[in-house]
Amino acid sequence: QKEVEQDPGPLSVPEGAIVSLNCTYSNSAFQYFMWYRQYSRKGPELLMYTYSSGNKEDGRFTAQVDKSSKYISLFIRDSQPSDSATYLCAMIYNQGGKLIFGQGTELSVKP
Amino acid sequence: DAGVIQSPRHEVTEMGQEVTLRCKPISGHNSLFWYRQTMMRGLELLIYFNNNVPIDDSGMPEDRFSAKMPNASFSTLKIQPSEPRDSAVYFCASTDRNYGYTFGSGTRLTVV
Repeated sequence: QKEVEQDPGPLSVPEGAIVSLNCTYSNSAFQYFMWYRQYSRKGPELLMYTYSSGNKEDGRFTAQVDKSSKYISLFIRDSQPSDSATYLCAMIYNQGGKLIFGQGTELSVKP
Repeated sequence: DAGVIQSPRHEVTEMGQEVTLRCKPISGHNSLFWYRQTMMRGLELLIYFNNNVPIDDSGMPEDRFSAKMPNASFSTLKIQPSEPRDSAVYFCASTDRNYGYTFGSGTRLTVV
């Protein structure tokens, strides 16, 4: 079993839709959680960084962490074609430690 | 801030040749990571350094792979001899431990 599980998709939604992306993890020792966006032929770009359970909002993006269920989510409101990319969840046990990634979910937002 | 800089961007080499990938982390970042990305396996950590010291190299696939960090501003990942199954995108990332990890643009390696 992988440490971090993420549905690879692909996921296709119409412009303006709310997108929900999710990951589950097996080890409760993970403390810090991140979401990265990766455009084709580019490096991963940090979107959200959270520590505790709860919600964190940044513009159209909301990250949610539920440590009791070992479940994290990323919500994208009013999705745009420019949001089309692969979204990767990632987590670490401690700051500066190794970052463990999910498989990534490929998202396509259709105009 | 120029971000994490990797070179070359693309590398095509013949099987059996030595390949050297280079990375310059963000100034002030004291942790550096090398990842490999393939369609089948996603992003895999190969090795990481804290304060120029290798901490965990358990992801290095074989003895053909080696990595060095001679100073805080430079790291190399070497494959010798290279094989077709090494074809992948190799990413370098760095962090100052206070925030997320910043990735470079990657080196796309093709071994023929």
